[in-house]
Amino acid sequence: EAQVTQNPRYLITVTGKKLTVTCSQNMNHEYMSWYRQDPGLGLRQIYYSMNVEVTDKGDVPEGYKVSRKEKRNFPLILESPSPNQTSLYFCASSLWAVGAYSNQPQHFGDGTRLSIL
Amino acid sequence: DAKTTQPPSMDCAEGRAANLPCNHSTISGNEYVYWYRQIHSQGPQYIIHGLKNNETNEMASLIITEDRKSSTLILPHATLRDTAVYYCIVRLTGNQFYFGTGTSLTVIP
Repeated sequence: EAQVTQNPRYLITVTGKKLTVTCSQNMNHEYMSWYRQDPGLGLRQIYYSMNVEVTDKGDVPEGYKVSRKEKRNFPLILESPSPNQTSLYFCASSLWAVGAYSNQPQHFGDGTRLSIL
Repeated sequence: DAKTTQPPSMDCAEGRAANLPCNHSTISGNEYVYWYRQIHSQGPQYIIHGLKNNETNEMASLIITEDRKSSTLILPHATLRDTAVYYCIVRLTGNQFYFGTGTSLTVIP
């Protein structure tokens, strides 16, 4: 089954304790992205990646890191989490045609709810 | 940057057509408009997308104005399960996507 898998689904942690949220897709998609969702603010893009070793900042990258060492995985890293990073996080992936404007829709994971105390 | 504007909420009677508008007046000529919906806090679900022509699939129809500054998503026969937040999305410069805050659609029995 084609899917985007995020882990963990829920996490409560404390300020300053490094954490990683994993994202994996099994569709051989080039494009992967992380979003956060907060009440009243909709979904905002954190980072995205066009392919292996190619990553770019989205709207709200501060306090986050990402890596894309393999095509299927795109982990989101919070080196020193703070309470303002408490949010619902979504990973997404899609096909992407190099050199062309992509018209492929994104597939989303089920979300990771992070609470940082 | 191309962004979108949607009404924050709408109601629709069950069985009637739901028409959800979106303004994207700064969209560039070769960018697609995408529609997704989100039920509760689940991952957004793709509905439909289009460039210039109207599009239809098993879920919905998408009407894009000739000047491409706005579009309307049509759910032809809304059911209670269509109650969700609907997002109209465009791509910003580079390869970012703008979701905005969407329209919360409530289908009323």
